[in-house]
Amino acid sequence: QKEVEQNSGPLSVPEGAIASLNCTYSDRGSQSFFWYRQYSGKSPELIMSIYSNGDKEDGRFTAQLNKASQYVSLLIRDSQPSDSATYLCAVRGNDMRFGAGTRLTVKP
Amino acid sequence: DAGVIQSPRHEVTEMGQEVTLRCKPISGHNSLFWYRQTMMRGLELLIYFNNNVPIDDSGMPEDRFSAKMPNASFSTLKIQPSEPRDSAVYFCASSPTAHEQYFGPGTRLTVT
Repeated sequence: QKEVEQNSGPLSVPEGAIASLNCTYSDRGSQSFFWYRQYSGKSPELIMSIYSNGDKEDGRFTAQLNKASQYVSLLIRDSQPSDSATYLCAVRGNDMRFGAGTRLTVKP
Repeated sequence: DAGVIQSPRHEVTEMGQEVTLRCKPISGHNSLFWYRQTMMRGLELLIYFNNNVPIDDSGMPEDRFSAKMPNASFSTLKIQPSEPRDSAVYFCASSPTAHEQYFGPGTRLTVT
């Protein structure tokens, strides 16, 4: 069982829609959770961090964390073609583990 | 701040040669991470340093790989001898807290 799991996608949504990206993790002791965006040929870029249960909003992005279910998600509202990228979920327990990423395509 | 700086950006070398990748973290960050990314294996943590001290090198694949951090503003990842299976993008990242990490642009290594 992978320690951090994401749907590999590709996930395709129309422009203006809500994109929902999901991630589950196996280490119950994990304390910190992150979403990174990676454009093709570029390095991962931190877009959201969340440390406690509930929702955290930043502009069009909302991160949701449920530690009991070991689940973290990222919602992107009003999706734009520029949001097309691979989104990596990262979980920190004793060390940092990354998921394989979900490829998102936003179609104009 | 200029962000994390890595050099070279691209490296092509022949099997058996020594390769040295370099990283300058963001000033003031006390944690530094080396990652390798391939299509097959995704993003893998190789080693991380806290206050210039290696904390976890369990991700270093073999003895051919070594990493050093002689001071707070410089780190190297060395592969000797290099093999074709080492071909990947190598990222360096730094962090002020060992939690959120900021990645450099990466070094694309090709070993022929």
